[in-house]
Amino acid sequence: GDSVTQMEGPVTLSEEAFLTINCTYTATGYPSLFWYVQYPGEGLQLLLKATKADDKGSNKGFEATYRKETTSFHLEKGSVQVSDSAVYFCALTPMDSSYKLIFGSGTRLLVRP
Amino acid sequence: EPEVTQTPSHQVTQMGQEVILRCVPISNHLYFYWYRQILGQKVEFLVSFYNNEISEKSEIFDDQFSVERPDGSNFTLKIRSTKLEDSAMYFCASSEGQGGWEPQHFGDGTRLSIL
Repeated sequence: GDSVTQMEGPVTLSEEAFLTINCTYTATGYPSLFWYVQYPGEGLQLLLKATKADDKGSNKGFEATYRKETTSFHLEKGSVQVSDSAVYFCALTPMDSSYKLIFGSGTRLLVRP
Repeated sequence: EPEVTQTPSHQVTQMGQEVILRCVPISNHLYFYWYRQILGQKVEFLVSFYNNEISEKSEIFDDQFSVERPDGSNFTLKIRSTKLEDSAMYFCASSEGQGGWEPQHFGDGTRLSIL
């Protein structure tokens, strides 16, 4: 079945460092891909999405590009802030008219001042 | 910005009891979902709901579980005869459309603790 694999955390960075969180997927065809973020004590918030190959999703300085050839959707940010500390989830919706989101295991990011 | 709201934020229940988790989806959304996250594990899909019926459910969503939209605003998840392994964070979500084209918006979750 379809699945999402994320790099294990926690990822600890200093403020203004470059961030990459790896995400790869296994799916039939062209799923839609998402990054969600969960701040402490809160629910899951959509960060960005891409619905077809080579699409780039972006929001709040974060970017991810849908790479069909490598089945990847890595999350990047050029300069992280302390306020970016959260858990980041990569997810997909299968293309078979399914309604569900399939999540990766989440990656905790801790940014130190 | 409109939000999905969930109540209660934390529910403690004795094993074997029934529990109802409540959600108010975003008002113009038509698709509703429940997910759960057992501590330290992935967020897992339970069920989706559209037009007053279940659209899709996972193998987790067995006869112990049911969902209902009792009025025009609430969406509930009922768990009968709760077990210790039902302890988890339960998230409600809603979307305007289905699938990958319309993002799902999540509530802050209900932490369910079964004693």
